[in-house]
Amino acid sequence: AQSVAQPEDQVNVAEGNPLTVKCTYSVSGNPYLFWYVQYPNRGLQFLLKYITGDNLVKGSYGFEAEFNKSQTSFHLKKPSALVSDSALYFCAVRDRRTGGSYIPTFGRGTSLIVHP
Amino acid sequence: DTGVSQDPRHKITKRGQNVTFRCDPISEHNRLYWYRQTLGQGPEFLTYFQNEAQLEKSRLLSDRFSAERPKGSFSTLEIQRTEQGDSAMYLCASSLASGVERQETQYFGPGTRLLVL
Repeated sequence: AQSVAQPEDQVNVAEGNPLTVKCTYSVSGNPYLFWYVQYPNRGLQFLLKYITGDNLVKGSYGFEAEFNKSQTSFHLKKPSALVSDSALYFCAVRDRRTGGSYIPTFGRGTSLIVHP
Repeated sequence: DTGVSQDPRHKITKRGQNVTFRCDPISEHNRLYWYRQTLGQGPEFLTYFQNEAQLEKSRLLSDRFSAERPKGSFSTLEIQRTEQGDSAMYLCASSLASGVERQETQYFGPGTRLLVL
């Protein structure tokens, strides 16, 4: 079985400050990991993914995420937050093990609020 | 716009009625997924197609739900005898992947918001 935990329902940060949105995962094998963002009444937009190789993944809109195998984490980060970054953020995991499910499991989401 | 499109964007229906949603994936994408999202939750998998074949269905997909993808292009999701618990956002996503690939990116449509009165 695979699962994702996003331990914070909401993250508040001031504009210009660095932000972190946390994600931990559990899979039987090794993971593929994804971050998506959702604006109100919209579908999910892809931000970035970890497949293999460099543990620091760079994505859209200045976001990056760090894969940490020992801590089974894939936290989303941005050096300087913008008010326009305020949205719902979802982490997802897929087991890369042959025979595992093709279906990703999503976390419950974290609401990011960036204050001016 | 060459992204994933869904129609309608909003649907209000009375309990017991049937509803049908349509998803048009990104052209040439061979995989198509349906998810349900309720308030405060992430997307929950319902079913997925590789080309026209429906390869996996969730336990969430009761016998009142049916999905099709004729000719491997657009897909429809039908809910029969709707219940108030069916009220949710229904999301469609598509991707381009080989047979055993799991690393591909899913691209989501804007969703159809269903309200059952």
